[in-house]
Amino acid sequence: RKEVEQDPGPFNVPEGATVAFNCTYSNSASQSFFWYRQDCRKEPKLLMSVYSSGNEDGRFTAQLNRASQYISLLIRDSKLSDSATYLCVVYNNDMRFGAGTRLTVKP
Amino acid sequence: EAGVAQSPRYKIIEKRQSVAFWCNPISGHATLYWYQQILGQGPKLLIQFQNNGVVDDSQLPKDRFSAERLKGVDSTLKIQPAKLEDSAVYLCASSLVPAARETQYFGPGTRLLVL
Repeated sequence: RKEVEQDPGPFNVPEGATVAFNCTYSNSASQSFFWYRQDCRKEPKLLMSVYSSGNEDGRFTAQLNRASQYISLLIRDSKLSDSATYLCVVYNNDMRFGAGTRLTVKP
Repeated sequence: EAGVAQSPRYKIIEKRQSVAFWCNPISGHATLYWYQQILGQGPKLLIQFQNNGVVDDSQLPKDRFSAERLKGVDSTLKIQPAKLEDSAVYLCASSLVPAARETQYFGPGTRLLVL
């Protein structure tokens, strides 16, 4: 079983749609959780950290369920510029990246 | 503020040749990481430095890969000899302190193709 698993997609959605990505992790001792965004042929960039209480940043909402070892990212009112690969990242002494979920937002 | 710098940006070599990549982290960042990202996969940590000491190199294929950060600033990653499966993007990242709640900043990467 992979340490961090994500649905690879691709997710193709129209502008304005709401889309949700899921991620599961295998190490129950994991300490910190993040979502990174990676544009095509570019480096990953931090989108947001994920806290136990859930957190929101504009159109983006991240949630963590430690009991189920599950992390989610919700994007509301999708924009064309949201098209990218979204990487789920789990930290336990080092950063473990999922393979990413590819999102394409279409006009 | 200048970001993480890497060079070269692209490299094409034949199998069994050697190759070296260079990274200059953000000024003041004590922690430096090298990742390998194979097409269609997420980045995989190869090695982590804290200043000039190795913190974690458990996933570094030490028979062919080596890395150093002699003065606690710049770092080089070497592959000798290269194999076809080493074709990937090699990403360098840095952070002020080891990443728990601290953001890692990535460089643009070096795209390696082994023929």
